[in-house]
Amino acid sequence: DTVMTQSPDSLAVSLGERATMNCKSSQSVLLSSSNKNYLAWYQQKPGQPPKLLIYWASTRESGVPDRFSGSGSGTDFTLTISSLQAEDVAVYYCQQYYRTPLTFGGGTKVEIK
Amino acid sequence: QMQLQESGPGLVKPSETLSLTCSVSGGSISRYYWGCIRQPPGKGLEWIGYIYHDGSSNYNPSLKSRVTILLDTSKNQFSLKVRSVTAADTAVYYCAGASDFDSRPIFDIWGQGTMISVSS
Repeated sequence: DTVMTQSPDSLAVSLGERATMNCKSSQSVLLSSSNKNYLAWYQQKPGQPPKLLIYWASTRESGVPDRFSGSGSGTDFTLTISSLQAEDVAVYYCQQYYRTPLTFGGGTKVEIK
Repeated sequence: QMQLQESGPGLVKPSETLSLTCSVSGGSISRYYWGCIRQPPGKGLEWIGYIYHDGSSNYNPSLKSRVTILLDTSKNQFSLKVRSVTAADTAVYYCAGASDFDSRPIFDIWGQGTMISVSS
């Protein structure tokens, strides 16, 4: 299985400040023939299902604010919230869809400092 | 806008079969991948499996021997069965729809989830 490791487990950021979290996969999720990384990010607020934010490691889903950005390639990825808003308090999960079993990271919990 | 709604028993006895039905509205089930993901209380997400609109399926090897996902296009529904459940199967179960991205599923439609507990 491709193990997805997220760090940190939690972070507290002041409103308007940048939040950065990482995701590392145990195997590359880059398909070299297409140069696409099969990596998605989800946001899960308390009591709600996950919501797709980003796919192909850096493509925002329709309707997702542009303060959310994804980067990275191969095995190392980052999700950045450029200016944290109160509504961004949530747990963020990365997920690889390169190979089955599809696997998720353990999540990073983002709180307001 | 396509929506998913789970319906399940809430409580299942150990060694019995957990059954979850996922109803699709606002669009045809004859597209996409349709899958199930679960989340134990206070924990992360675990992919259970998915079925493609052509009926082919793929399951997590950790659960494969106990899991079946079936498609019912006449009812615009799909269903999950998990056999021989134990307390470790207690979780919120989500139904999800995945768009086809280069023959890979990306889950972009989620139901609200339903809590299923395994206890005698």
